[in-house]
Amino acid sequence: AQSVTQLDSQVPVFEEAPVELRCNYSSSVSVYLFWYVQYPNQGLQLLLKYLSGSTLVESINGFEAEFNKSQTSFHLRKPSVHISDTAEYFCAVIGNTGGFKTIFGAGTRLFVKA
Amino acid sequence: GAGVSQSPRYKVAKRGQDVALRCDPISGHVSLFWYQQALGQGPEFLTYFQNEAQLDKSGLPSDRFFAERPEGSVSTLKIQRTQQEDSAVYLCASSRGSGLAGSDEQFFGPGTRLTVL
Repeated sequence: AQSVTQLDSQVPVFEEAPVELRCNYSSSVSVYLFWYVQYPNQGLQLLLKYLSGSTLVESINGFEAEFNKSQTSFHLRKPSVHISDTAEYFCAVIGNTGGFKTIFGAGTRLFVKA
Repeated sequence: GAGVSQSPRYKVAKRGQDVALRCDPISGHVSLFWYQQALGQGPEFLTYFQNEAQLDKSGLPSDRFFAERPEGSVSTLKIQRTQQEDSAVYLCASSRGSGLAGSDEQFFGPGTRLTVL
């Protein structure tokens, strides 16, 4: 079984400042890791994912996340945020042994202030 | 539209009523997931279909919850004798693959907000 902990429920930050959204997971098997984003009044959409290979993965809009197996973490970072990054961010995990049950964290609300 | 659609978008039910929630996945997507999202929480897995086969229903909270996907496309989540604790947003997602279902991007619908009075 897997579980996901997002340590911050809300993160307020000023525009152009860096941000880190924390995600820790637990699992008895190897996992795939995902970050999904939900913009206001929109559905969840994939931001980035780690399946294998390079532990640093990037999105098209400047976010990156690093898989750290020893710390069982998959923190999301952006060096300079925009107002348009205001959204709810969900970390998710699924065992990579052929299972289908995706486990989501409770979400972190990123609020970017001008 | 090319996305996942769900209907109705909002449903108000009296306690004890039965409800049916519909999901139209992206055409050709093999995998279909249902989630329950309570206020302030992340989505919680309910069940998974690969084509018409329900391969995992471990997340269904009780035998009042039933899901089907008889032709491997549209899916319906039915809740019998609704209770107040069933109030939540019900999300449907679909993805392309089947062999390594977990690795595929899931495309989410807008959800159905169910309120049980």
